[in-house]
Amino acid sequence: AQSVAQPEDQVNVAEGNPLTVKCTYSVSGNPYLFWYVQYPNRGLQFLLKYITGDNLVKGSYGFEAEFNKSQTSFHLKKPSALVSDSALYFCAVRADTGGFKTIFGAGTRLFVKA
Amino acid sequence: DGGITQSPKYLFRKEGQNVTLSCEQNLNHDAMYWYRQDPGQGLRLIYYSQIVNDFQKGDIAEGYSVSREKKESFPLTVTSAQKNPTAFYLCASSFSDAGRETQYFGPGTRLLVL
Repeated sequence: AQSVAQPEDQVNVAEGNPLTVKCTYSVSGNPYLFWYVQYPNRGLQFLLKYITGDNLVKGSYGFEAEFNKSQTSFHLKKPSALVSDSALYFCAVRADTGGFKTIFGAGTRLFVKA
Repeated sequence: DGGITQSPKYLFRKEGQNVTLSCEQNLNHDAMYWYRQDPGQGLRLIYYSQIVNDFQKGDIAEGYSVSREKKESFPLTVTSAQKNPTAFYLCASSFSDAGRETQYFGPGTRLLVL
């Protein structure tokens, strides 16, 4: 069965410091991995995805994520956090073995303090 | 949110009433999805549609119904059988339902029970 874990409900970081939002996954087959961001009372916005190839994926707004197959992780990172990065972040996974369902994590709230 | 519209933004339902949430996309996407978002639970799939005139149940379809008469439109009806409908409802679409495809989300509809 597919699953996604975001072990931290909230991450707090000071503006200008690097940030990491953690995600681990479990799938049968090769994974397709996604990160989305959600601002209050809005839909999800796509940040980046890993399909195949280079393990370091660069996305929107300076975010990047590193696919680690041995640790089954796909942590989201940014070198220098902005107050405007404060939002709810979702990791999602889908397997290449077919089937339609994308599994979303429970979300991690990022709070960036000025 | 670009390309996918949801209406209304807020919807109030009385006991025993059916209500319909609208979702329209102009992205020429074949696949469309409905998700329910509750605090701390991530997104759960209600229904999805790969093509016009076809749709399948997701994890929590009970008390909901959908139709897909046009490629652009995928309305969701919350019936009186859904006993706990208060939630944030998100519609999404993707070019196809292949695992590598990115899902793009609408701005959401918040349903409240009077």
